[in-house]
Amino acid sequence: AQSVTQPDIHITVSEGASLELRCNYSYGATPYLFWYVQSPGQGLQLLLKYFSGDTLVQGIKGFEAEFKRSQSSFNLRKPSVHWSDAAEYFCAVVIYGGSQGNLIFGKGTKLSVKP
Amino acid sequence: EADIYQTPRYLVIGTGKKITLECSQTMGHDKMYWYQQDPGMELHLIHYSYGVNSTEKGDLSSESTVSRIRTEHFPLTLESARPSHTSQYLCASSDSQGSSYEQYFGPGTRLTVT
Repeated sequence: AQSVTQPDIHITVSEGASLELRCNYSYGATPYLFWYVQSPGQGLQLLLKYFSGDTLVQGIKGFEAEFKRSQSSFNLRKPSVHWSDAAEYFCAVVIYGGSQGNLIFGKGTKLSVKP
Repeated sequence: EADIYQTPRYLVIGTGKKITLECSQTMGHDKMYWYQQDPGMELHLIHYSYGVNSTEKGDLSSESTVSRIRTEHFPLTLESARPSHTSQYLCASSDSQGSSYEQYFGPGTRLTVT
């Protein structure tokens, strides 16, 4: 069965520092992968997605993610974090089969930003 | 502007009351979802729908029920609220005819049952 693992529950970085949030998936074929962000008390907003093609995808708010098939990873990066990036980040993969098109979400990584 | 709406945003209600959480989308999406999310926790799919008159149970068992009489509307009902139902409920929609599988989320309803 497909699954998504986000190994880091909580990460704290200083404003202006670089960021990498980890995401690993388990699935035999090339998956459809997403990163969503959730600000406190809000719904989820799509940051970026990967379906095929270029393994480095650009998203909104200066985020990018790299798909690495050999490592089954889809890590999210940002070169310089802003205080407004403090939020919860969720990685997700599409389910194939009986629940076609449903997403499986990781448990999320909470990002705190130090001034 | 195409969007997805949830009302109420916050609800505090006593045990045993019947409640309905509303979700509407203006994007013409055929597929809709309900997720339950405890504070700081992962999302659990509790219901989804492929279209009008279609409802399916998700991965997490829930005492709530849903209906899909109109494409744009996907309400969730709890017949008798209990403190264990206290949580955030997120509604989402997607276009199953496209190939993106991208889900669009509403702002959520934070439910507290006292």
